[in-house]
Amino acid sequence: GAGVSQSPSNKVTEKGKDVELRCDPISGHTALYWYRQSLGQGLEFLIYFQGNSAPDKSGLPSDRFSAERTGGSVSTLTIQRTQQEDSAVYLCASSLALAGGEYGYTFGSGTRLTVV
Amino acid sequence: GNSVTQMEGPVTLSEEAFLTINCTYTATGYPSLFWYVQYPGEGLQLLLKATKADDKGSNKGFEATYRKETTSFHLEKGSVQVSDSAVYFCALGQRGAQKLVFGQGTRLTINP
Repeated sequence: GAGVSQSPSNKVTEKGKDVELRCDPISGHTALYWYRQSLGQGLEFLIYFQGNSAPDKSGLPSDRFSAERTGGSVSTLTIQRTQQEDSAVYLCASSLALAGGEYGYTFGSGTRLTVV
Repeated sequence: GNSVTQMEGPVTLSEEAFLTINCTYTATGYPSLFWYVQYPGEGLQLLLKATKADDKGSNKGFEATYRKETTSFHLEKGSVQVSDSAVYFCALGQRGAQKLVFGQGTRLTINP
């Protein structure tokens, strides 16, 4: 697509429920990134996918968080047994292969997750 | 490791004032430097970038010069508008390394 698309834009869930957040990157972008932005905070790296390589999961805060990328395109970030501290804006970004560090990413508009 | 330190906010200015948001970095080699802007309720947008020393990135009246000698990439605008109210993030990346390192962000509010 023309830009990075994220859905839903807003999600309210009850504590303990599982949620899935979706990201559709720019067509042709083989690198995909997930970041988290808590209220008033900076960006926290979560996970990075590049083509068919094993993802860099070094930023996932706990084993309740997981992500997959099917067919090298759409990615889903899953949070199991949500906690109130998971409330944040989850941002997805994409870039051309091996270009993210040199030329930057394109971000989606984010999913605002509220756990009540 | 690589890191970015940004001027702490929030910053409040009057319309038509001069803006500077400081950004300094620590990195090995020759990083690329970026400024991203986040308007209320939106994701981050790339505002400008510079990929080598002494390069000047510019966009929408904003400028930043990559200063290797002072390891800085300060964001400037000569005359701000109310529509510039947003959060600004400085970031660093390196060729061949995919992840960007972001500063903490600076919230800018411009009053009419």
